[in-house]
Amino acid sequence: DAMVIQNPRYQVTQFGKPVTLSCSQTLNHNVMYWYQQKSSQAPKLLFHYYDKDFNNEADTPDNFQSRRPNTSFCFLDIRSPGLGDAAMYLCATSTGTGGSHEQYFGPGTRLTVT
Amino acid sequence: GQNIDQPTEMTATEGAIVQINCTYQTSGFNGLFWYQQHAGEAPTFLSYNVLDGLEEKGRFSSFLSRSKGYSYLLLKELQMKDSASYLCAVMDSNYQLIWGAGTKLIIKP
Repeated sequence: DAMVIQNPRYQVTQFGKPVTLSCSQTLNHNVMYWYQQKSSQAPKLLFHYYDKDFNNEADTPDNFQSRRPNTSFCFLDIRSPGLGDAAMYLCATSTGTGGSHEQYFGPGTRLTVT
Repeated sequence: GQNIDQPTEMTATEGAIVQINCTYQTSGFNGLFWYQQHAGEAPTFLSYNVLDGLEEKGRFSSFLSRSKGYSYLLLKELQMKDSASYLCAVMDSNYQLIWGAGTKLIIKP
């Protein structure tokens, strides 16, 4: 089945220790998104890629970086995680052309910072 | 600014009907989405409205009035598994989703 996969599902890191979250998709979608979602809050868009074109939201901290080496994969790097970065990180994809632009979500990675 | 408003929490009884409202103010409009999100899981797509009117899909229906900046999600024959958060999101003129904070729906037996 075509899908969006995120690894790992649960990640524990230490304060200040870099961590990378990964996302892959078999949908061949042009657009990939990274969201941060804290408990009982709306998902907050961090970045999105339209193909290789990178779009950074204005209020995304510099501590967050992203890479998309090819159509299928996208990575979220947190250079120096703080306690406030503990959250669910959601990867999503969409076609980016025509239709509803529905976003398909991966299962998420829950990040804990100790 | 852009804004999506929906109630924080609602309670309903198993077998009943519940309506979750959403009002929005956004820069441009390219459709409104409803997503369901169970605790600790990712959102899953429920419905998409871009034209005024009612879209029905099984037990779930979604309504849109663009002139009023208003939508609702109607859930019929409620089941315990419907206990979840329901997120309203509007796609703006840049094709970005503007998300509401979600409505936590509690179903009681």
